[in-house]
Amino acid sequence: EPEVTQTPSHQVTQMGQEVILRCVPISNHLYFYWYRQILGQKVEFLVSFYNNEISEKSEIFDDQFSVERPDGSNFTLKIRSTKLEDSAMYFCASCRETEAFFGQGTRLTVV
Amino acid sequence: EDQVTQSPEALRLQEGESSSLNCSYTVSGLRGLFWYRQDPGKGPEFLFTLYSAGEEKEKERLKATLTKKESFLHITAPKPEDSATYLCAVQALSAGANSKLTFGKGITLSVRP
Repeated sequence: EPEVTQTPSHQVTQMGQEVILRCVPISNHLYFYWYRQILGQKVEFLVSFYNNEISEKSEIFDDQFSVERPDGSNFTLKIRSTKLEDSAMYFCASCRETEAFFGQGTRLTVV
Repeated sequence: EDQVTQSPEALRLQEGESSSLNCSYTVSGLRGLFWYRQDPGKGPEFLFTLYSAGEEKEKERLKATLTKKESFLHITAPKPEDSATYLCAVQALSAGANSKLTFGKGITLSVRP
C-alpha cells in the first residue's frame, strides 16, 4: 500500500542551525502539507502546497520556514535558524481527494 | 476560529467493554470531520471521514457518527490492540477544498486484557 515516507526519523541540531526535513508523498497525490506536534500537544497545521506554490499557511509558518518541491517526488521543509521551541514531531501529509495521509514523522530536537 | 474538543482525555477499558469517544466541534461550515488513530511516536493513521449530520461509517470494531455539533467514535468489544490515541479533526467549508485540518488534543485509549 502506498505511503508517505519521511526522512530522517530523528534529527538533533544545535540552536541556530538550519535543518531540512524531507518527505516523499504518495505518487498520485496533488496536495502536500506539513504539520507539527509538540510533545503532549495538538497536531498543528503549518503549511499546505499545491501546484508548486503555498496555498495556505499558519501563523507559526514565519520567515524562518520554507517549503520546496525540488523535483517530482520530494517535498521539503526547511527551518533556517532553529530555536529550542522548534523541537517537535514534524509530519508530512499528502492528499489526492479529501483524506490526508500522514507520514511517520521526523522528531526534531533542538539543543 | 475553528475549534475541536475531545473528551475524555484518557479512557481505560477492559477488553470487551464497549464505550464511546466524543468530539465536539465549532467550525464556520463543516466540509468534513476526520478520525485518525495515532500510536506512540507515529504519524496519524486515517480511519474515517464524515461529511453531513446523520452519517455513519464503520470499520471492524469502530463506528463513527456525526451530528451538527459533535461526533462519536463507538468502540464495540475493544481488544488490547485498539489501544492508541484517537484524534478528531475538522476541515472548514469556507477555506476551500483540501484546506487545513484543525485537530483536537486526542483521546488516549488503553484496553486491558
